[in-house]
Amino acid sequence: QVQLQESGPGLVKPSQTLSLTCTVSGGSISSGSYYWSWIRQPAGKGLEWIGRIYTSGSTNYNPSLKSRVTISVDTSKNQFSLKLSSVTAADTAVYYCARGSGRDGYNYGGWGQGTLVTVSS
Amino acid sequence: QSALTQPRSVSGSPGQSVTISCTGTSSDVGGYNYVSWYQQHPGKAPKLMIYDVSKRPSGVPDRFSGSKSGNTASLTISGLQAEDEADYYCCSYAGSSVVFGGGTKLTVL
Repeated sequence: QVQLQESGPGLVKPSQTLSLTCTVSGGSISSGSYYWSWIRQPAGKGLEWIGRIYTSGSTNYNPSLKSRVTISVDTSKNQFSLKLSSVTAADTAVYYCARGSGRDGYNYGGWGQGTLVTVSS
Repeated sequence: QSALTQPRSVSGSPGQSVTISCTGTSSDVGGYNYVSWYQQHPGKAPKLMIYDVSKRPSGVPDRFSGSKSGNTASLTISGLQAEDEADYYCCSYAGSSVVFGGGTKLTVL
C-alpha cells in the first residue's frame, strides 16, 4: 500500500519561500495514472487545493496561488515537491500531499499525515 | 474559483439519517459527474468516502451514499453511529483545477 510523507521546515519567515517534499513509499511514483497533489488547511478552516503534477511533469495550480506556486517531481527519488514564494501569515496551515486518481486525479484516496507550516518572523 | 457551499453544521441521533449538501456552479459540480466526499476526524488526514458522485471506495460502509442534482451534490449517512461524528468536505473537478467545499461539522447527538 502506497504511503506518503511530507517533510520540510515547520517555520518560515514572511516574504521567504516555503519548500516541502513528499516522499512516496510502497510503490513507484511513476506507475499508474496518478496525479500528485498538494492541499492545505489553515487551523480551524477548510481544505484548499494548491495544485497537482502528473509524472510527465505537466502541472495545474489553484488560480489564486498560481503566481507563487511551483510543484515538481523527482522520479529518481520517488518524491514530489512544493515551493510557495513570498509567504505571509495567511499561508500558515497544515500542508498535505496526496495521490489523486480518476479524472485528472481529482479524487484523493491516499494522503500524507500532514505537516504544519507556520509563517512568522 | 470559489469554494463550494456546504452547511456549517448538521446533527442527528444514532440510527437516524442525515444529508449534507454541497452547492457549486455549472463550472464545477453541475458540469461534471466528478464529485468526491471526505471525512476528517480531528487531527487526522481526510479520508475518501465517495467519488464520482456516488461510488464508494473499498472498505467504506454502504451507510454512506452520494447523489447529485444540477449544481448541488449531497452526501447521505444512514444509520448514524457515534464514530461518524467528524467534519465532511465535498470536492469537485473543475476542469484545470479542483475545488473543495467549506466543510460541514456532523454532530451525533
